[in-house]
Amino acid sequence: GIQVEQSPPDLILQEGANSTLRCNFSDSVNNLQWFHQNPWGQLINLFYIPSGTKQNGRLSATTVATERYSLLYISSSQTTDSGVYFCAVERASGTYKYIFGTGTRLKVLA
Amino acid sequence: NAGVMQNPRHLVRRRGQEARLRCSPMKGHSHVYWYRQLPEEGLKFMVYLQKENIIDESGMPKERFSAEFPKEGPSILRIQQVVRGDSAAYFCASSQPGGLETSYEQYFGPGTRLTVT
Repeated sequence: GIQVEQSPPDLILQEGANSTLRCNFSDSVNNLQWFHQNPWGQLINLFYIPSGTKQNGRLSATTVATERYSLLYISSSQTTDSGVYFCAVERASGTYKYIFGTGTRLKVLA
Repeated sequence: NAGVMQNPRHLVRRRGQEARLRCSPMKGHSHVYWYRQLPEEGLKFMVYLQKENIIDESGMPKERFSAEFPKEGPSILRIQQVVRGDSAAYFCASSQPGGLETSYEQYFGPGTRLTVT
């Protein structure tokens, strides 16, 4: 099956710093989403981004489907950004189910 | 527009009992997915349903687990004769059918945290 790897696995930042999270996938995909799981366990939709670039406030994401990777940029990080960031992909065979990556655990220090 | 709703949020069951988890999709969404998250791990797909149909149950354990999405009412994930290894967070997601004008973006509920004692 498709493999989804995220890096780095853990990241500690000072408040105000910028960071880039990476998601590599081993096969063609139809859909890709980025999620933030906050410390209370809630999954928050960040981006639905099967291809191209999107921005939402301090966050932006880019997916280069032909090269099988996606990047999530966090600028001017805040303590509320802490949590785990997951990317999830749906294989191009149209199965509709998401395969989740291993996650990046982010801690932002005040 | 209310989001995906799940209940209960927390459920404690003794070994051997049944657990019943409910999921109401977002308004206008006809596709429902169930995922399981073990502690310190990512989410794993379990089952994908449309109204009255199971489309893909490739992630469901062969025994004790079942899911339904009836014509009326919420989707139900049922776990019979629970064991300690079933302790996990169970998330439900929903999406629109998708197509030219709409996306397949999945929206997640808050999850049900099942603890088996």
